[in-house]
Amino acid sequence: AQTVTQSQPEMSVQEAETVTLSCTYDTSENNYYLFWYKQPPSRQMILVIRQEAYKQQNATENRFSVNFQKAAKSFSLKISDSQLGDTAMYFCAFMRGFGNEKLTFGTGTRLTIIP
Amino acid sequence: SQTIHQWPATLVQPVGSPLSLECTVEGTSNPNLYWYRQAAGRGLQLLFYSVGIGQISSEVPQNLSASRPQDRQFILSSKKLLLSDSGFYLCAWSPGAWSRSIKNIQYFGAGTRLSVL
Repeated sequence: AQTVTQSQPEMSVQEAETVTLSCTYDTSENNYYLFWYKQPPSRQMILVIRQEAYKQQNATENRFSVNFQKAAKSFSLKISDSQLGDTAMYFCAFMRGFGNEKLTFGTGTRLTIIP
Repeated sequence: SQTIHQWPATLVQPVGSPLSLECTVEGTSNPNLYWYRQAAGRGLQLLFYSVGIGQISSEVPQNLSASRPQDRQFILSSKKLLLSDSGFYLCAWSPGAWSRSIKNIQYFGAGTRLSVL
């Protein structure tokens, strides 16, 4: 079974600074997908970024980028130029690569952007 | 564009009462559908998923059941609620096997906060 670990329950950073959220996972699969989802106070889960394990290039979406280290099974999220609207719970998630499989989530990191 | 609707947003029910939460998806056909539960301060746990009408897979044994009476409708039910059923329930969809959209991405509804008293 796959597991996802987020070791930082809470983090805070000043507005406009850069912050990195950590995620590690455990799997015996070779083909899989990794995700970061954001859950603001409204509690709707919003996809932030997606990484395909077979791609060596790290995914980027505007101010969000990942550092994907497949051998180390590490998948960190970097938020640049942080904004107040980035305040949210952030969940790392894993999905096997065959069909539309279930998402396995970590326990989340609560990120607070300080004005 | 595709949208997912989930209702009600908030529900307070007594122990032993029935439950019905509904989720519908618009703008796509043959989606895969999912029900997740989020306990307070924790990540999401998959409860059920469906790849087609009448096809339901259960991930964990529990007091809940799911049904998919129509292609884009997914219902979470219980005959008798327990205190432990309290939580935040999220419905999600992903493109089906025959879709041309990027697969392996799940899109979530706004959720239902259920309090069982």
